[in-house]
Amino acid sequence: QQPVQSPQAVILREGEDAVINCSSSKALYSVHWYRQKHGEAPVFLMILLKGGEQKGHDKISASFNEKKQQSSLYLTASQLSYSGTYFCGTDTGIGANNLFFGTGTRLTVIP
Amino acid sequence: DVKVTQSSRYLVKRTGEKVFLECVQDMDHENMFWYRQDPGLGLRLIYFSYDVKMKEKGDIPEGYSVSREKKERFSLILESASTNQTSMYLCAITQGMSTEAFFGQGTRLTVV
Repeated sequence: QQPVQSPQAVILREGEDAVINCSSSKALYSVHWYRQKHGEAPVFLMILLKGGEQKGHDKISASFNEKKQQSSLYLTASQLSYSGTYFCGTDTGIGANNLFFGTGTRLTVIP
Repeated sequence: DVKVTQSSRYLVKRTGEKVFLECVQDMDHENMFWYRQDPGLGLRLIYFSYDVKMKEKGDIPEGYSVSREKKERFSLILESASTNQTSMYLCAITQGMSTEAFFGQGTRLTVV
């Protein structure tokens, strides 16, 4: 049930934009996004619930298309602090409160 | 501040040993999860628990078991450690459905 992320890795120059995709084979109730810096625990960015709502968090936003079982994370005007590994987390909303994380996308922002 | 504490940051065990990884939370959250993190494979769910003594298998439960005797503590057990269980193990908690997850700092386990 692990969702698949793409791309696996991306390198950006400061100020450039990036999109990270997350795709699941299961119907989803919600999608989470987290960022993990090297040697640290993942940190929550945002959660999107069923309904296709787009959310924003400074220059980082995300969308959720529950029909396609997909979510995308948009990073605009990237900063050096955006570097890290990004994970999506998915919850089917069925049965026990589950939370499956994706394969990860390593984002490197260079000056 | 939410606190999720894993008993060890680094652990080295021998093949065949029984290994216990402990996760303790101070937030009274109902859901607790164990993941392993490997390069290129992301975070893979091993087991999770939604209540005391209740557990569900994740994607990769083979070779692992869990125990949740008290709400605040969730243990991951490797019955007979093998070298392919060398990995970073992360514990996480959530409250209710579709809420923010809080992670422990992780345990890097090396099986030799």
